Order: sequence, then structure tokens, then C-alpha cells
Amino acid sequence: ETGVTQTPRHLVMGMTNKKSLKCEQHLGHNAMYWYKQSAKKPLELMFVYSLEERVENNSVPSRFSPECPNSSHLFLHLHTLQPEDSALYLCASSQEYGTPTGNTIYFGEGSWLTVV
Amino acid sequence: GQSLEQPSEVTAVEGAIVQINCTYQTSGFYGLSWYQQHDGGAPTFLSYNALDGLEETGRFSSFLSRSDSYGYLLLQELQMKDSASYFCAVRDHDYKLSFGAGTTVTVRA
Repeated sequence: ETGVTQTPRHLVMGMTNKKSLKCEQHLGHNAMYWYKQSAKKPLELMFVYSLEERVENNSVPSRFSPECPNSSHLFLHLHTLQPEDSALYLCASSQEYGTPTGNTIYFGEGSWLTVV
Repeated sequence: GQSLEQPSEVTAVEGAIVQINCTYQTSGFYGLSWYQQHDGGAPTFLSYNALDGLEETGRFSSFLSRSDSYGYLLLQELQMKDSASYFCAVRDHDYKLSFGAGTTVTVRA
């Protein structure tokens, strides 16, 4: 139990579907992240929210839309995805963002997404 | 941009010692971290080195040489439960964390 909970753990969706991934952190952290993990590749940072404000958007296609309604919850809305978007999507949180020390990142167990 | 290099796979027997090297190129540097990820699980934090030298935490140690842009994770007295992927990560001048592609460690009986 890392203190970061993601649902659903597995999702299969068609290319025309709309779905959402949900993340909740119980650690009292101020920063939350979405990462994409594909086989044999480095984790790719997608979005960062600090104090509910988006501070990073790393050239992610618009078919991925994040939402952070409060500091404990983070969503990733998915629309008209492509098969190459199939991957493990990891949510994470840290105490702060944008400081040089500490900021250990705590990950959830991820949502396995398959686009068919 | 940032780049990190680490071996893709390592296999060793129980009780052995494994060293996972990580070399990095980054604009600015605020520390090297290591994460462990078991199959189907969340990456979990193992260690953080901001200064040169060796940090020991039980059977695992992490080393950093900033002048060589190099670090390693040392796994001692390997156990079956240590079979996992291990990622190095560096924090750059924007304090963003960039990850390597991971090293899969397989421990055999």
C-alpha cells in the first residue's frame, strides 16, 4: 500500500470510447503526476499538478485530458485513443513540486490500458 | 534533454551480489534516485544520493560520482524477492525527475 490508489486496474476500450482513469492519494501531498510506462522504455512524464494547478504538459496529445479537482484527486480522461496508447498509466504524488531536495515520488500500482 | 543509461537485464543466483550501473547526461543535477518495481506493482522508492559517496540501507547500497555522471545500485545477499525492475532517475535543473528504461533483475535459486 503506497498511499496512492488508482482505478480501474485494467481497462479495455475501443478507439471511439470515452473513459477515465482515477487516482486518489491519502498522503496529504501537494503535487500529483501522470506517467506513461511502456515496455522497455523509460517512464514518460505526461502531466504534473501542483496545488491543483497544471504546471507541466509534456507535449501530450489532446486525446488525453487531465483534471485535478482537489489536491487528493487526479483524473485522466481518455477519448478516441489509438492502439499505440496501450500502456500502463501510473499516477504519483509528492510532498511538493519544483524544489531541489527531497520530493520522493510515491506511485500507485497503475492502470493497464488496452486500446482495441 | 536528459538521458540515462542502465543495463536492460541482469541475472544472478541467490546470495550473490549485483551492481546496476547508471550513467546520465542532464542539464543541471539535483540528485540520483533508485526505484524498484515488481511485476504488476507500483515503482517504490529505494534511495536518493545528492552528494558523492555510498549510501547504505540494509542489503541495498547506492553510490554516486557527480564528476563521472555515474552511479550504481548494489544489491547484496540476493533473495528471490529481489527479482524486479530497478530504475535510476535524476532530478534536473527544473527539478523534474527523468527515469532510465529500467534493469530487470532475475534471481535464480
